Amino acid sequence: DIQMTQSPASLSASVGDRVTITCRASQNIDTDLNWYQQLPGRAPKVLVYASYVLQSGVPSRFSGSGSGTDFTLTISSLQPEDFATYYCEQTYNTPRAFGPGTKVN
Amino acid sequence: QVQLVQSGAEVKKPGASVKVSCKTSGYTFTGYHMHWVRQAPGQGLEWMGWINPNSGGTYYAQKFQGRVTMTRDTSIAIIYMELSRLESDDTAVYFCGRESLPAARPFDSWGQGTLVTVSS
Repeated sequence: DIQMTQSPASLSASVGDRVTITCRASQNIDTDLNWYQQLPGRAPKVLVYASYVLQSGVPSRFSGSGSGTDFTLTISSLQPEDFATYYCEQTYNTPRAFGPGTKVN
Repeated sequence: QVQLVQSGAEVKKPGASVKVSCKTSGYTFTGYHMHWVRQAPGQGLEWMGWINPNSGGTYYAQKFQGRVTMTRDTSIAIIYMELSRLESDDTAVYFCGRESLPAARPFDSWGQGTLVTVSS
């Protein structure tokens, strides 16, 4: 099975900051990588799919990049509603697998 | 619009079974694979498996094989997830999610979650 890691596990940031979250796969997954945002008590919401494609309706301050094993989610200017936990997910192989999450405080 | 509405919270004793439902609407039920993902309190997301609502075919994560059963009722556009031989570690919020069609097949719609508490 493919294992996913994320760094950092948590980070402290302020409104307006540029935030970068890293996700690494244990083997090549091409660009079969999705990013989700989860607010407390809510279901996750997809932000970026296929590594860099912005989901419809998601603000352009979110962007994704990477291929192979290393991926990045960037928030160009953090907004108050962005304080949440972010998860990457690989869909290259079954079983799908999520990263452990990054909490943005 | 696409809606996934799950059944309400459950409290079960160890060793019992639980069956969670996910009622779908707003799209062609048989056109999209459906998945179940769970989240223990304060923990991350854990993928459990999927069901093809068209054929009824399923795939379960190895961890849950032998304990989980995913079914569907095409007449009322509902999928079900039944987990048996519950343990305290199964206490979690259980989500259904729709697998979308584009590359990397993200979950583009989710149910609201169902809290299952396993306690003696």
